[in-house]
Amino acid sequence: NAGVTQTPKFQVLKTGQSMTLQCAQDMNHNSMYWYRQDPGMGLRLIYYSASEGTTDKGEVPNGYNVSRLNKREFSLRLESAAPSQTSVYFCASSPRDSNQPQHFGDGTRLSIL
Amino acid sequence: QQPVQSPQAVILREGEDAVINCSSSKALYSVHWYRQKHGEAPVFLMILLKGGEQKGHEKISASFNEKKQQSSLYLTASQLSYSGTYFCGTEANSGYALNFGKGTSLLVTP
Repeated sequence: NAGVTQTPKFQVLKTGQSMTLQCAQDMNHNSMYWYRQDPGMGLRLIYYSASEGTTDKGEVPNGYNVSRLNKREFSLRLESAAPSQTSVYFCASSPRDSNQPQHFGDGTRLSIL
Repeated sequence: QQPVQSPQAVILREGEDAVINCSSSKALYSVHWYRQKHGEAPVFLMILLKGGEQKGHEKISASFNEKKQQSSLYLTASQLSYSGTYFCGTEANSGYALNFGKGTSLLVTP
């Protein structure tokens, strides 16, 4: 049982390049999330999808777009990467129920030069 | 709005106790606690729900004061494996996304 799988694990981009981060979960969860983690800032929510077909902005959505392709997959796109988007990106999923935890992927370490 | 965690960092000797606090300016429906080791993903520890229901980890406990909008995580008789960064995530209403604090770094030394 893989849980939450993120690809790629590492990526280096040049300023202005575009990229899509992929996330897939095999737990039949309704909700999926994208976070970024910067030193000293904790986990900040970029976008989330409460269920298939819906997406909502989180705390720091500027510069990103998302697609909930189906129940399993939730992708994050950087249209024109900026150095300020250098970060570790985590995808997570959960059943749509406050009694249940979020399960995190291993993260994508993204550097933008 | 991001909850506030305290302390920012703590160093313990093996066997000592620690308390990590999480405060919100908004009314809370639930509080989630996670631990993250360096270079790894956050791992679930505990959920506390409005009304007092609690789930979680065997050797770590937590409380949730709804009136004060605060939660505390209690680590007793700490072990080396407890080292890591602890995050609280707060939920204002059922089914909403979590807001995570900036984390508390915990180091347990021999």
